[in-house]
Amino acid sequence: DAGVTQSPTHLIKTRGQQVTLRCSPISGHKSVSWYQQVLGQGPQFIFQYYEKEERGRGNFPDRFSARQFPNYSSELNVNALLLGDSALYLCASRMTGLNEQFFGPGTRLTVL
Amino acid sequence: AQSVTQLGSHVSVSEGALVLLRCNYSSSVPPYLFWYVQYPNQGLQLLLKYTTGATLVKGINGFEAEFKKSETSFHLTKPSAHMSDAAEYFCAVSDQLRTGNQFYFGTGTSLTVIP
Repeated sequence: DAGVTQSPTHLIKTRGQQVTLRCSPISGHKSVSWYQQVLGQGPQFIFQYYEKEERGRGNFPDRFSARQFPNYSSELNVNALLLGDSALYLCASRMTGLNEQFFGPGTRLTVL
Repeated sequence: AQSVTQLGSHVSVSEGALVLLRCNYSSSVPPYLFWYVQYPNQGLQLLLKYTTGATLVKGINGFEAEFKKSETSFHLTKPSAHMSDAAEYFCAVSDQLRTGNQFYFGTGTSLTVIP
């Protein structure tokens, strides 16, 4: 079975631009979470979606938004990019009733 | 709120030696605890998890961890290090939120294995 997939793999943007990152969960998983991992640090929780509804939000500004589609895939949008948004963005999916999250390979975002 | 502290951002061991990576957590409710490994330019791979039941948890690649409630610890061990164990290791605690769960990660421990 395919694992969590994310696209694109790498992305380079300039300050002020907008970016959209995409995630497809493992088949059968209805919950998707997004994490930001800055170089040298652990992942930080951004959003969690379940059944297309936002179920949790971390301490990130309103420039960050997300949504989940009927097929449970998800997009993370970041507006007005700042240099500090440069990071690895990880998507994780989870099966209902289980605790563990399965992570995708991430999207490496570089903001110049 | 939940939080995780990983003592030692860098650990070096000789090949064949014991691996010990430390993790202490803070949780206002019974925690779910996890160890993940991250190889360069890759995502996170689950090594093992503790939810309920037996406090000694065995995972993949010969790793195990023991949940000690009195010490609020969940240290990761492996009896004999292998070169392929060199990676970044993250401890995480889960915060059950209704139908979902937010993970709180530590800052990670980079493991170097010396031949």
